[in-house]
Amino acid sequence: AQTVTQSQPEMSVQEAETVTLSCTYDTSENNYYLFWYKQPPSRQMILVIRQEAYKQQNATENRFSVNFQKAAKSFSLKISDSQLGDTAMYFCAFMGNRDDKIIFGKGTRLHILP
Amino acid sequence: DSGVTQTPKHLITATGQRVTLRCSPRSGDLSVYWYQQSLDQGLQFLIQYYNGEERAKGNILERFSAQQFPDLHSELNLSSLELGDSALYFCASTYRERPQETQYFGPGTRLLVL
Repeated sequence: AQTVTQSQPEMSVQEAETVTLSCTYDTSENNYYLFWYKQPPSRQMILVIRQEAYKQQNATENRFSVNFQKAAKSFSLKISDSQLGDTAMYFCAFMGNRDDKIIFGKGTRLHILP
Repeated sequence: DSGVTQTPKHLITATGQRVTLRCSPRSGDLSVYWYQQSLDQGLQFLIQYYNGEERAKGNILERFSAQQFPDLHSELNLSSLELGDSALYFCASTYRERPQETQYFGPGTRLLVL
């Protein structure tokens, strides 16, 4: 069964610093999709970034980028120049190509400190 | 604002009761997904509908059911409610059948079972 593990339950960084959130997953599939979702205090779920496993290039969205290591089954999220508005719960998620279920990790609560 | 609407925002009910949660997808989206977010289980995929038909099933209890109507809105019915059903219920929508594309989440319905 596929699993998603986020080993950091909570993190705090100063505003303007760079922070990396870790995510590992387990699958026997070769093609799949990985996502990072952000859930701010409003509880809205917002897609931050997505990566297709067949693409070797790491996805980037403005200040957000990923380090996708397929062999290691690792998918970390880097937030550069962190802002107060980045304070949120961040969920790593996996979806296989054969199965339409999205599996979420337990989340990392990120605090950006002024 | 994602364009996905959910009603009601909050719901308080008693054990053994039945409730209906409603979701309207973004204009033009054909697929609706339901998720449950609870403290102990995390964020779990429940069920997906595409253009009125059930497309994928996740960890949905037999006491729960859903449907998608011709106007594409969806309802999640929860019956014989238990204390453990207290959670935040999200719906999300996409245009296509496969959920690999960006899922737009609604604001959620917070259910409290007393």
